[in-house]
Amino acid sequence: AQSVTQLDSQVPVFEEAPVELRCNYSSSVSVYLFWYVQYPNQGLQLLLKYLSGSTLVKGINGFEAEFNKSQTSFHLRKPSVHISDTAEYFCAVNQYSGAGSYQLTFGKGTKLSVIP
Amino acid sequence: NAGVTQTPKFRILKIGQSMTLQCTQDMNHNYMYWYRQDPGMGLKLIYYSVGAGITDKGEVPNGYNVSRSTTEDFPLRLELAAPSQTSVYFCASSPSGGGPATDTQYFGPGTRLTVL
Repeated sequence: AQSVTQLDSQVPVFEEAPVELRCNYSSSVSVYLFWYVQYPNQGLQLLLKYLSGSTLVKGINGFEAEFNKSQTSFHLRKPSVHISDTAEYFCAVNQYSGAGSYQLTFGKGTKLSVIP
Repeated sequence: NAGVTQTPKFRILKIGQSMTLQCTQDMNHNYMYWYRQDPGMGLKLIYYSVGAGITDKGEVPNGYNVSRSTTEDFPLRLELAAPSQTSVYFCASSPSGGGPATDTQYFGPGTRLTVL
């Protein structure tokens, strides 16, 4: 079974500073990787996803992530954060569950707090 | 286009009571999912459906039931509520047009359930 580890449960960062949220996965087969964001009191929405091809993936709101197969990582980065980026971020991997179906396995989340 | 809607937003149940959490999507998506989110634990899949009339268990199905009689609706039933079911519940849907492995899931705003 695949698993996802988000190494930091909370990340405080000052406004306009860069940020990296770390994610490692375990899998012996091809993977599809996702980052979702959850703003306070809302559902999750997709930031970006890696399916194949270029290892650098660009998403919404200036975020990007790099797929590193040798390190089994999919870290999320933003060069300059805004107050509005305060949210919880979830890394997820799609796992085959049989009969043509897949299930998303989520990490435990990283709470990003942007400090004015 | 409302996306994925969930009712109610909040609910308090007594131990042993039952209730149905409603989920509706208007995007004509084939796949629908129910997750629960506990603090610091990420999201866990309860049940999912690949189309009307077809449902299957996820990672944490005990204590829950689902049905899918139409493409739009995917209600989640709690028969005998227990304190361990206190959680935030999210419904999601995905189109599966590009294959379920690569699909983006679209989430509803959630239902916060407390069992006392």
